[in-house]
Parts: sequence; C-alpha cells; structure tokens
Amino acid sequence: AQSVAQPEDQVNVAEGNPLTVKCTYSVSGNPYLFWYVQYPNRGLQFLLKYITGDNLVKGSYGFEAEFNKSQTSFHLKKPSALVSDSALYFCAVRDNGGSGAGSYQLTFGKGTKLSVIP
Amino acid sequence: NAGVTQTPKFRVLKTGQSMTLLCAQDMNHEYMYWYRQDPGMGLRLIHYSVGEGTTAKGEVPDGYNVSRLKKQNFLLGLESAAPSQTSVYFCASSRGTGTYEQYFGPGTRLTVT
Repeated sequence: AQSVAQPEDQVNVAEGNPLTVKCTYSVSGNPYLFWYVQYPNRGLQFLLKYITGDNLVKGSYGFEAEFNKSQTSFHLKKPSALVSDSALYFCAVRDNGGSGAGSYQLTFGKGTKLSVIP
Repeated sequence: NAGVTQTPKFRVLKTGQSMTLLCAQDMNHEYMYWYRQDPGMGLRLIHYSVGEGTTAKGEVPDGYNVSRLKKQNFLLGLESAAPSQTSVYFCASSRGTGTYEQYFGPGTRLTVT
C-alpha cells in the first residue's frame, strides 16, 4: 500500500521569505511523486513531479521540490514567497513498482494550506 | 483545448434522488478518474477507467456507479443520494503511458439534503 503524509495543516510565511511545505511518503517500490496546487473554488493544478534522475526538480511558478530517498520525503520549496502563492497544496505518490490497472492510482495527502502574509 | 470539463458546477439533491455527473476531456487521454474532496480528507479516488468500456473501483466506490462509453467521457452516477455524499467531486485524466500526471476539472459541488 502507498501513503502520503503532509504533517502541517497550515503554513504561514511572510511575503519575500522562503517557504517549505513538507511531504513524506511510503511505497513498496520506487516512487513517482507529484505536487499540485488548488486555488479557492478551483480544480487541482499540476506543479511538478519527480520520476527519476536529479533529486531537485523545478516546476511552475518558481516552485521546486527535493526528493530525499533516505528520509522518504519530497518537500516543496520556493525561495521567495508571493501573496499569490496562498493556496492549498497537495502532495501525491504513485508506486512505480506496482502492476495491473490499479498501479496507476495516485494517493494524495490531506493538503497543506499555505498563507503568505503581506 | 478546454482540457477537462465537468457539468454541472453545482447541484442540490434531496435524499434518495439520483443524478449523473459528466466529465469530458479533449486531450485524448486513456485514463480517467473520479475523486471526492472533503475537508481534512484530501482527495479520495471513487472509480477510475483505463480505457473505453472499462472501469474499476477506487478507495470509496460504495453508492456510486460509472460508465466510460466513449474515450472522452466519464460519467459518475448516484442512484440514491445520501447526505454522506455531500462533497466536491473532481474528474481527472491522464495519458496511459509516460509520466502519469493527472489533469483535473474544475469540480462539481454537490449538496444532499
């Protein structure tokens, strides 16, 4: 079984400061990892993904995430937060060691609300 | 490209009524998914489809049925709505090969009274 934990329900950061949204995962094989953002009353938008290769992946809107296999983490980061980054962020995982149709399922974390304070 | 679209955007049902939510995608994606989003619960997979004419159960399938008669459409049905089905429903689609990121629709907010 695969699972994702986002240990913080809410993260507050001042505009211009760096931000980190934490994610840890559990899979039996190797992970495919994703970050999505959801603005109020909208669907989820894809931000970035880790499949293989460089542990630091860059995505949309200046976000990046670092894959750490030993700590089973995939934290989302941004060097300088904007007020417009305020939203709900979801981490998701898929086990690429699975087989059958069910192996294509993504498991999502419960989300972290990011508030950037002007 | 419109991407993934969902109809309706909002709906209020009485307990026991039925309805169908429609999802359409114009990206020629093989895979489609239905999720529900509840506060503090994240997204939970209801049903999914890996191709036209095929469907499978996800994490929370009870009380829902689905059909994928055409590749571009994925329908979610509630035969007898219950208050516990009050939620926001999201449809998503993805390619069948490659790196599997899912693309989401705008959601349907359903209230069952």
